[in-house]
Amino acid sequence: GQNIDQPTEMTATEGAIVQINCTYQTSGFNGLFWYQQHAGEAPTFLSYNVLDGLEEKGRFSSFLSRSKGYSYLLLKELQMKDSASYLCAVRPQTNKLTFGGGTRVLVKP
Amino acid sequence: SQTIHQWPATLVQPVGSPLSLECTVEGTSNPNLYWYRQAAGRGLQLLFYSVGIGQISSEVPQNLSASRPQDRQFILSSKKLLLSDSGFYLCAWSTPGLAVEQYFGPGTRLTVT
Repeated sequence: GQNIDQPTEMTATEGAIVQINCTYQTSGFNGLFWYQQHAGEAPTFLSYNVLDGLEEKGRFSSFLSRSKGYSYLLLKELQMKDSASYLCAVRPQTNKLTFGGGTRVLVKP
Repeated sequence: SQTIHQWPATLVQPVGSPLSLECTVEGTSNPNLYWYRQAAGRGLQLLFYSVGIGQISSEVPQNLSASRPQDRQFILSSKKLLLSDSGFYLCAWSTPGLAVEQYFGPGTRLTVT
């Protein structure tokens, strides 16, 4: 079976840094994705990791450790518009993604 | 550029009524297509995916079905809706073969009363 865990909710202050952790246990691994989803909207792609290490894209970075079944998404210089849910998803097989429950991030002024 | 459309945007249906949600993709050929459902405050659950016309894989046994009558058209149906079918339905597509990220449509908010 597939199991992906991430915290339900996190709160942070504007301008600060927040780290969202994701642990996974899946039958097979072909990459890990992070998506951002604002309330009532569709998810949008943020990052993709298939090899161990850190991928940086502007204010967002994503890290992967395949041996530990662990990833995190780092959001720097938080802005109010970053208030959203962040979804961790693993691709066990080529055509499918398995999603975690999502982490709702609330950015306060 | 590629775009993905879903309709309707919102739908309120009584228990026992039929359902038909439509998804179309423009600007790409032979995409992989997916239907997801998201319950309130929850993650995405994969319902169906398709790698070609008439090829449908079901992930979760339920009273829903999917069809792909044309290359870029994906339809989600039900003959009789249940209360538990309420949720946010998302269609997505990805590049065939070495699929990387999936691109989501705007979604349909379904409320079964």
